[in-house]
Parts: sequence; structure tokens; C-alpha cells
Amino acid sequence: SQQGEEDPQALSIQEGENATMNCSYKTSINNLQWYRQNSGRGLVHLILIRSNEREKHSGRLRVTLDTSKKSSSLLITASRAADTASYFCATAPQAGANNLFFGTGTRLTVIP
Amino acid sequence: SQTIHQWPATLVQPVGSPLSLECTVEGTSNPNLYWYRQAAGRGLQLLFYSVGIGQISSEVPQNLSASRPQDRQFILSSKKLLLSDSGFYLCAWNNDGHEQFFGPGTRLTVL
Repeated sequence: SQQGEEDPQALSIQEGENATMNCSYKTSINNLQWYRQNSGRGLVHLILIRSNEREKHSGRLRVTLDTSKKSSSLLITASRAADTASYFCATAPQAGANNLFFGTGTRLTVIP
Repeated sequence: SQTIHQWPATLVQPVGSPLSLECTVEGTSNPNLYWYRQAAGRGLQLLFYSVGIGQISSEVPQNLSASRPQDRQFILSSKKLLLSDSGFYLCAWNNDGHEQFFGPGTRLTVL
């Protein structure tokens, strides 16, 4: 399966702390993306990192990619209660169509 | 700006009944369209994707089918629903930029 796996499955932190989520995948990729999903809603794209990039920032988000280890991490700094959601990584394969393969997600709870 | 719509938002159907979920996209042309299913507390499973009118690719064998009668319309169907078809169905689109834009989803409960 090309699906990624996030770790941990669930994470609970206090507001103001940093949250780190990890994603591992199995095949070569063109890029890796992180999405956020509030309960019962659609997914929202957060950030895309290409296979030739190692780190990317967007506001309070920092994403790293290690293609040799086939892994990525998403760091949310100075977390807020509004960051409570599920976070998914998705990989775009190196060849083929625009399909994305999603991981199983990390459920983040930020306690105010 | 582009928007994506899905309806209905929720649906409760008996086993053996037919299904039709609709997804439409506005503000873009010739999008790639996707149907995903998400079981409770789980990740997304790609069901179908389409790169153009009448072009449907299926990722997993199942009780469902998809059609794309118009450029920005994607329909998910079943002739006879199974209990295992229950889930959260998400439609998404993109324009070869890899980032996908998701609709609000349809919660389907089969009883």
C-alpha cells in the first residue's frame, strides 16, 4: 500500500505548547502534503513540500521531509485551542496521475 | 474563486436502496475530480478519480460506481447499498497542481 502512516494516532497538549506529528510512507514521491480536518468537515490543505525540499514554513507550521527515511514531520508552534483537529499527510506518487494517498491521521487536541 | 459543493450533507438509507451523491465545482475548467470515503476515525480511501468527462478510474473494487456527465459534475452511485457502504464521502478537485480542494462531505448511514 502507498498509504502513509501518522504517528502518534492521538496527541493532547496544553495551549501554547508545540505539537509534532510524524508521517512515514513507503514509495517514492513527487511531493508530500499535510491537510487538516475539523470533525465532520472536509479537509483543508495546509502545506506542500516537494521531494527536493527538506524544510518548509508557513506561519506557525513547519514541515520537514527526509526522503531517505521516507518520513515527514509537521510542527505546529504555540498551539491554540482552534488547532484542535485531525491532521493527515498525503503523498503524491512520482509517476502517474494526481492521486494522493492519505495516511490514517493524527487527532490533535489542544487544551485551553 | 473556485467552490465545490456536495449534497446531500447527510443521508440515511436502508440496505438495498439506491444511492446518488452529487458533487459540483464552480470557477474552474477541466478539473480532476475525486471521490473518497472515510470510515469513522480513519484516513481517506480513494474510490474514483476522473481527469475528464466520461473518464473514470476506479481504485478499489466495490459496490459503488461514478460518473462524470459534465465537466464540473461528479456523481457517486450505487444500485443497492450495503451496510459497509456507511461512511463519510468526500469529493475533491484539483488542476494538476497536486493540492486538492475538498467539499464539505456527505455523511451516509446505511441501516
